[in-house]
Amino acid sequence: NAGVTQTPKFQVLKTGQSMTLQCAQDMNHNSMYWYRQDPGMGLRLIYYSASEGTTDKGEVPNGYNVSRLNKREFSLRLESAAPSQTSVYFCASSEMTGFVSPLHFGNGTRLTVT
Amino acid sequence: AQKITQTQPGMFVQEKEAVTLDCTYDTSDQSYGLFWYKQPSSGEMIFLIYQGSYDEQNATEGRYSLNFQKARKSANLVISASQLGDSAMYFCAARTGNQFYFGTGTSLTVIP
Repeated sequence: NAGVTQTPKFQVLKTGQSMTLQCAQDMNHNSMYWYRQDPGMGLRLIYYSASEGTTDKGEVPNGYNVSRLNKREFSLRLESAAPSQTSVYFCASSEMTGFVSPLHFGNGTRLTVT
Repeated sequence: AQKITQTQPGMFVQEKEAVTLDCTYDTSDQSYGLFWYKQPSSGEMIFLIYQGSYDEQNATEGRYSLNFQKARKSANLVISASQLGDSAMYFCAARTGNQFYFGTGTSLTVIP
């Protein structure tokens, strides 16, 4: 039972390079999320997708794009990486219905932009 | 948006003692969920416990319990009989609709 799978686990980019973080879940969840975690700031929502075919901006969407490829997969793209995007990125999923359904997280991607 | 406040950046507890991690939330919604997550040094986010806004009894999961005081808008996590493996960051979160909001976390260190 894999749950939420993120790739890659680590990545180093130079300023201006692009990359895509991949995320897939096998729990048949409708909602998927991308968060970034920075020291002292908790988790901040970048984008989320309430269901297949929809995406919405979160608290810190600038510099990112997302694609909900199908119900299982939700990717995050950095078109032109900046040092301010150095962070740990988490993908997560949840049942759409029921406010007591928790987030299930992937193991995170540690991204460094030099 | 909801605001989740965790006022204790760091906490220490003696092994086998109980510890309470504080969390307050700020929402005008009637329906919401409250969650606690553990993040050990390895980095993964582990779901511990939840409480629904309509639940009248405090949630419990093994050594974890959630002290829910709705009128005070607090959702404190109580860990009983602390173990060395409990040393980690702990995050409080709230859900309204499809959105989750997180506090900045409390670092717990269990002392042998």
